[in-house]
Amino acid sequence: KAGVTQTPRYLIKTRGQQVTLSCSPISGHRSVSWYQQTPGQGLQFLFEYFSETQRNKGNFPGRFSGRQFSNSRSEMNVSTLELGDSALYLCASSPPASGGADTQYFGPGTRLTVL
Amino acid sequence: AQSVTQPDIHITVSEGASLELRCNYSYGATPYLFWYVQSPGQGLQLLLKYFSGDTLVQGIKGFEAEFKRSQSSFNLRKPSVHWSDAAEYFCAVASGGTGNNRKLIWGLGTSLAVNP
Repeated sequence: KAGVTQTPRYLIKTRGQQVTLSCSPISGHRSVSWYQQTPGQGLQFLFEYFSETQRNKGNFPGRFSGRQFSNSRSEMNVSTLELGDSALYLCASSPPASGGADTQYFGPGTRLTVL
Repeated sequence: AQSVTQPDIHITVSEGASLELRCNYSYGATPYLFWYVQSPGQGLQLLLKYFSGDTLVQGIKGFEAEFKRSQSSFNLRKPSVHWSDAAEYFCAVASGGTGNNRKLIWGLGTSLAVNP
């Protein structure tokens, strides 16, 4: 089975712009979670989608949003980028029998740099 | 609030030596505990997990971890480290409710370097 894929792998944007990141989960997985990873804050949970509905949400401002499509692919959008949004954004999918945070499989991440 | 602490930011061991990475958690109920590894440029890979039952858990790549409720710990061990084990190791706890309401809370990670 193919693993979790994320596109693009690297992205450079300037302050004020917006960005959309994409995640394709493992085939058959319906839960997709997003995380932000920075050296200072570590891994922080952004949100989780299941069957096209947001099921859980972390403590991020409304500039961070996401959605999930009927094929379980998910996108994450960040509007009005700030320098502090520079991070590795990780996507993870979970098997259908597990709860949202159980046994997650991660993609390689998208490295976002905001200049 | 739930939290995970990995006291050691950086550890260096010699190849062939034993390894123990520490993880302490704060959580009121029975936790779901995980260890993940992240190699440079890679995503996170699950090493092992504890949900219930036997408190000594075996994982991939020769790793094991022991859940000690009395110490709120879930330390990761390996009897003989290989150079390819150099990576960042993360401990996490699934908390915040039951079933689909659980979220992963992460430690800040321990960076492992292996000397030849």
